[in-house]
Amino acid sequence: GQNIDQPTEMTATEGAIVQINCTYQTSGFNGLFWYQQHAGEAPTFLSYNVLDGLEEKGRFSSFLSRSKGYSYLLLKELQMKDSASYLCAVRGTASFSGGYNKLIFGAGTRLAVHP
Amino acid sequence: GAGVSQSPSNKVTEKGKDVELRCDPISGHTALYWYRQRLGQGLEFLIYFQGNSAPDKSGLPSDRFSAERTGESVSTLTIQRTQQEDSAVYLCASSLMGVAGDEQYFGPGTRLTVT
Repeated sequence: GQNIDQPTEMTATEGAIVQINCTYQTSGFNGLFWYQQHAGEAPTFLSYNVLDGLEEKGRFSSFLSRSKGYSYLLLKELQMKDSASYLCAVRGTASFSGGYNKLIFGAGTRLAVHP
Repeated sequence: GAGVSQSPSNKVTEKGKDVELRCDPISGHTALYWYRQRLGQGLEFLIYFQGNSAPDKSGLPSDRFSAERTGESVSTLTIQRTQQEDSAVYLCASSLMGVAGDEQYFGPGTRLTVT
């Protein structure tokens, strides 16, 4: 089967660092995405990892270990506006010759940033 | 257009009625996806279009759900004989080609409430 696990909720303090973990078990692997979703809004793209290691983009970094089926999203210098849900999504291998790779989403982690 | 648009933004309907939800993808994007998001939960894949064809309909929960896409552009998701369990936010996303690493851009969603 396919399974993606993330913590349901996390809290952190403004200015601090928080790490949101994601573990996955999927039929094939072809990349992992992190999306941010503010309440009542559409998810927006944060990062994409397909090779092992750390991808840094400003205050946000994402790490991937394919052998462990594990990723994390690291948020530095937290701001109040970072309060949102963070969705981990894994792309499996192509299910047909057209090259389509289905994206499977975790349930998301609700992050609350406090002053 | 500038982004993915969806209409209506909110829809309240009585149990047993049919509803149509519309998605306008980003111009030139060949891949289009429909997802469902129940309150406090992650995104549940419904259907994928490549052009006007739907190679993957595996996420449609029952035969009351159908979708079509015309002109490699607009897509309509139809739910017949709505049930209260259909209440959710229905999100549409599009991507350039639907291949690995291809970022999905989400619309704002349609919030469906079945009374």
